[in-house]
Amino acid sequence: GAVVSQHPSWVICKSGTSVKIECRSLDFQATTMFWYRQFPKQSLMLMATSNEGSKATYEQGVEKDKFLINHASLTLSTLTVTSAHPEDSSFYICSALMDAGVFGTDTQYFGPGTRLTVL
Amino acid sequence: GENVEQHPSTLSVQEGDSAVIKCTYSDSASNYFPWYKQELGKRPQLIIDIRSNVGEKKDQRIAVTLNKTAKHFSLHITETQPEDSAVYFCAASWDGVTGGGNKLTFGTGTQLKVEL
Repeated sequence: GAVVSQHPSWVICKSGTSVKIECRSLDFQATTMFWYRQFPKQSLMLMATSNEGSKATYEQGVEKDKFLINHASLTLSTLTVTSAHPEDSSFYICSALMDAGVFGTDTQYFGPGTRLTVL
Repeated sequence: GENVEQHPSTLSVQEGDSAVIKCTYSDSASNYFPWYKQELGKRPQLIIDIRSNVGEKKDQRIAVTLNKTAKHFSLHITETQPEDSAVYFCAASWDGVTGGGNKLTFGTGTQLKVEL
C-alpha cells in the first residue's frame, strides 16, 4: 500500500516551453500533496503544498505564476513549469500525505521523481 | 520557520561497523522526525520515524533517538552492510492540520559509504 506515482519519469524540453508533471496516489486518497525540487547532491526543498479543491500554498521565493499547481482530485496533483529555462532543470519529487486518523501520524509517501532537463 | 542541520555530510565506515548521523532542529513546535534513505536518482524511502513523545525507537539494525530539550535527534545503524550505502536525510515537521502542518523540513543529507 501507499504507492505514489509520477509521470513522466524524465522529460527534455526546449527553453520557453511548458512542462506538466503528474503526481498520483494510487491506493489512498490524499487531500494534501507536496512538491519538492532537488538539485544534484543537494537536499529536497519544498516548493509548495497542494491542497485538493483549493489554491496551493507556495514557499517563500517560489514563483506561483511559473510553477502552476492544480490538485483537482483526491488522487491527482499536477505541477506545470511554465516558460521553462535551463535553470529550472532539476529533479522534481512529489509526495502525498496519508491521513492516519486522530491517533496516528500522517505520513508522506514520495513519488519516484521527474528529471526535467531544459535545453 | 524550521531549520534542520545535519552532520556529517559524508560518512565512511567498514562493513559491520556502526554509523551515526546527527540532526538538530530549531522549532520547538516540531513533533515528528522521520529519516529517509535515498539512492541515486530514486525517491526518498522512509526508514524510521519518531514522535516527540518518545525518546527512542528501534527497528532491527536501525534506531533513532530524540532529545527534545536539546532539540536534536540521531540515526544509528548497526552492523552496516554495503547495501546501506546511500544518502540519508533527516527531517522535522509538526502534525497540525493548518498553518503549515505536516510540512517537512529536510536536513542537508549524509552520504554514507559502507566499505568492504
